[in-house]
Amino acid sequence: QVQLVESGGGAVQPGTSLRVSCGASGFIFSSFSMHWVRQVPGKGLEWVAAISHDGGEKNYADSLKGRFTISRDNSKRTLFLHMKRLRVEDTAIYYCARDHGDQGSDWGQGTLVTVSS
Amino acid sequence: DIVLTQTPLSLPVTPGEPASISCRSSESLVDADDGNTYLDWYLQKPGQSPQLLIYTVSSRASGVPDRFSGSGSGTDFTLKISRVEAEDVGLYYCMQRIEFPWTFGQGTKVEIK
Repeated sequence: QVQLVESGGGAVQPGTSLRVSCGASGFIFSSFSMHWVRQVPGKGLEWVAAISHDGGEKNYADSLKGRFTISRDNSKRTLFLHMKRLRVEDTAIYYCARDHGDQGSDWGQGTLVTVSS
Repeated sequence: DIVLTQTPLSLPVTPGEPASISCRSSESLVDADDGNTYLDWYLQKPGQSPQLLIYTVSSRASGVPDRFSGSGSGTDFTLKISRVEAEDVGLYYCMQRIEFPWTFGQGTKVEIK
């Protein structure tokens, strides 16, 4: 059974950095592209970034380029999102998702990041 | 970016009655390489993450009841619930995965009358 468990969220001050993680199990992690999607509480969904199965290709939402970095450690079956110069508007639940190609995508339960002074 | 427009945004339903949600895309979601159409439907129940209902237009995800069905082609898609049950309440989103950035419809809130 596919499991994606996000961690590392919390309350931080504007201008600081934070790294959130996503531990994967139940599938061959190194075979799948992975994504981060975020959701401001009570609002819609926003795609953040994607990384290819081997980490060789990365894509970002235009509005986040330069501040957010996606990475992965296939030996530890873990996906990361490093966020720097955080802003109040980055407050959101951050979900990791497995891209299952023509069979949809699977999502974790999310980790809440709150940016506030 | 591809824009997905869902209608309606709010859908009060009577248990046992059918329900339908539309999703219109600003561009075709057909992949020229493999012929698949990358339009999925998700349900986000209160306090939970989005869960996959339908992928590539009409395929039901594992464990999804057969009262849920998806249809459409090109740029126009529909999610139908043949007989709504109380557990179906929540926010329904369509999502495209044919290109980056993945984009989502605004969400349709389904609630019981």
